[in-house]
Amino acid sequence: DQQVKQNSPSLSVQEGRISILNCDYTNSMFDYFLWYKKYPAEGPTFLISISSIKDKNEDGRFTVFLNKSAKHLSLHIVPSQPGDSAVYFCAASAVRNAGNMLTFGGGTRLMVKP
Amino acid sequence: GAGVSQSPSNKVTEKGKDVELRCDPISGHTALYWYRQSLGQGLEFLIYFQGNSAPDKSGLPSDRFSAERTGGSVSTLTIQRTQQEDSAVYLCASSLLSTGAQYFGPGTRLLVL
Repeated sequence: DQQVKQNSPSLSVQEGRISILNCDYTNSMFDYFLWYKKYPAEGPTFLISISSIKDKNEDGRFTVFLNKSAKHLSLHIVPSQPGDSAVYFCAASAVRNAGNMLTFGGGTRLMVKP
Repeated sequence: GAGVSQSPSNKVTEKGKDVELRCDPISGHTALYWYRQSLGQGLEFLIYFQGNSAPDKSGLPSDRFSAERTGGSVSTLTIQRTQQEDSAVYLCASSLLSTGAQYFGPGTRLLVL
C-alpha cells in the first residue's frame, strides 16, 4: 500500500519554463510534507517543506502547494534551470511524540533542457 | 557547518557476512534516522533515534538488522548474515528536533554478492 505516490516517473521541461511536479497521498494523518532533490550517487537534499496548516510555501524559485481536501501537493520551479535536472522526491510525515519518520514517493526525474 | 557523513561510501561483501555502517549526524541534531533505497524502489524507513529515548525500530525488515547510537551522536547500523536482498543504498538523516526537515548523508552503497 503506497501511501505517497508520484505518478509521473519523468518530466522534461525547457529551460526558463515552469516545472510542476505532483504528489498524492492517502494517509489523512500526514501533516507535514517535504520535497527533496537527489543527484546520482548523493543523498537527498532538502528543498522545501509545508505544514498542513498552510496551503502554500515559497522559497526563491521553489513553491510548494498543498491541497488537503484532494490529498495532493505540488512543487513549482520557476524559472527552471539545467542544474535543476535531478530526481525529486516528495515525502510526508505524521508528526507524533515518537518522531516523524518520512514516507517517500517513488520520485520523478526532471530533465531541464537548455 | 559539516553535514551528515556516512562511512564507508561503498561496501561489497559476501552473503552471510556481517556489515557495519556508520553515520555521523550534524552536530547538535537530536534525532537520527536510517533509511534504505533498494534498486528501483523508493526510500524506506528503518529506524529512528531521539535523544536518549528507546529507538523506534518499526521499520527494520528482520532481526538481522540492528542499530545503536552512542552518546546521542554517532550511530551504527549492523546487518548480520547479509543476504543478496540487503543490497541497497543505506541513508542516514538527522534533524534538529524530532520534528522538522531531515538532512541526509551521502549514503552507503552495499552490495551483497
